[in-house]
This record gives sequence, C-alpha cells and structure tokens, in this order.
Amino acid sequence: SQTIHQWPATLVQPVGSPLSLECTVEGTSNPNLYWYRQAAGRGLQLLFYSVGIGQISSEVPQNLSASRPQDRQFILSSKKLLLSDSGFYLCAWSVVRTGRVWYEQYFGPGTRLTVT
Amino acid sequence: EDQVTQSPEALRLQEGESSSLNCSYTVSGLRGLFWYRQDPGKGPEFLFTLYSAGEEKEKERLKATLTKKESFLHITAPKPEDSATYLCAVQEKKGGGNKLTFGTGTQLKVEL
Repeated sequence: SQTIHQWPATLVQPVGSPLSLECTVEGTSNPNLYWYRQAAGRGLQLLFYSVGIGQISSEVPQNLSASRPQDRQFILSSKKLLLSDSGFYLCAWSVVRTGRVWYEQYFGPGTRLTVT
Repeated sequence: EDQVTQSPEALRLQEGESSSLNCSYTVSGLRGLFWYRQDPGKGPEFLFTLYSAGEEKEKERLKATLTKKESFLHITAPKPEDSATYLCAVQEKKGGGNKLTFGTGTQLKVEL
C-alpha cells in the first residue's frame, strides 16, 4: 500500500529565516505530487504541483519554491520566510492510470509552520 | 474560474440525528467531485469520488450524491466519531495537471 510522509510535523521559524519541508511517497512510482497550504478558516490553496522529476508548476506567485529531485520526493522551500507564510502545509499525491485518469489525491499528515 | 461553496459552515447533531451537507459548484466541465474528511491537525482523508450526475457512493454511515450543480453528503444515524470537517473539491475538464479546487468545509460536531 502507498504511504506519504511529511516532516517536520511542526516548525517555528523567525521571519527572514530559510525553510525546507520534505515530502516522500512510498509504494507507487511516478506519482503526481502537490503542495497545498491551509490557513485557518480557508480552503486548501494549491501552491505547486509536479508531474515528474524536475517538472514544477506554480499556481500562486509567492515567497516559496518547490523542487522534485527524485521521483517520490517533493520539497518546499523559502529563502526568507514572511509572517504570512504561517499555516498548515500539506503534501499530496495522485496517480494516473493507463486507460483512465484518476484524480483523487491522497494527503500526508501535514506540517504546522509558525513564523514569528 | 472554479467555485465551490459548502454549507452549512458548521453543523451540530445529536447522535442518531441524520442530516446532509451541501457542496455547490460552478465549473465549465466537471471531471470529478471529491469528498474528504479532515480531523483537527491532520491531513484530509479521501472518502469518495463522483464523476457524473446521478452517481451515488456509500461508505458506512455516509452517502454521497451528485447533480449537475451540487453534491450532498448524507450522514445517517451519526456517531460522535463522525465529528470532523468535511471538504469537497472539484476537478475541472481543462488544462493539464490534476488541480482540485476545494471548498472551505463543513465542521460537523456529533454529540451524545
């Protein structure tokens, strides 16, 4: 079965510091990968998605970047955090199957980021 | 642009009191509608995918239905463990990538 891991689970960082959040998926090959942010009282906002190694699409211009150095690894980064970067960050994966496209996404446990 | 509106924002039920959550959507061509359950501090857990109007899916006390403009999540005889935030999302038929647009959710509380 497939599993998705995120770390760290919680993070408190000062404004202006760098950020690196990691996500890995096990039990599947060539997944689509996604980064979302969830702010209190708001829906999930898609930040980045990737359909393959080194292929990153950005949905929202912002202070963040993403990279996919390996097939099942997805990294969210920032060079200098802003207060507005605080939130709950979720990684998700989905698979495309031959003959039919499945779009449901499966989410990781999330990282709670607080920028102080 | 896709729009997804969920109602009510919050719902309080007594154990055994059945009810429905609503998800209305505006898309140019629906590829799929998804329901998720999210517990506090955790990632959303996938429940159902609905692809076309008239389709229904069931899982334990939950039943999801779909029309051309909205979806309902029916909860029959709920238990306290059904308490969570329920999210719906839509996938539109355009462009590439599996991009979902989420609603803000319905926070369900089931009391003894």
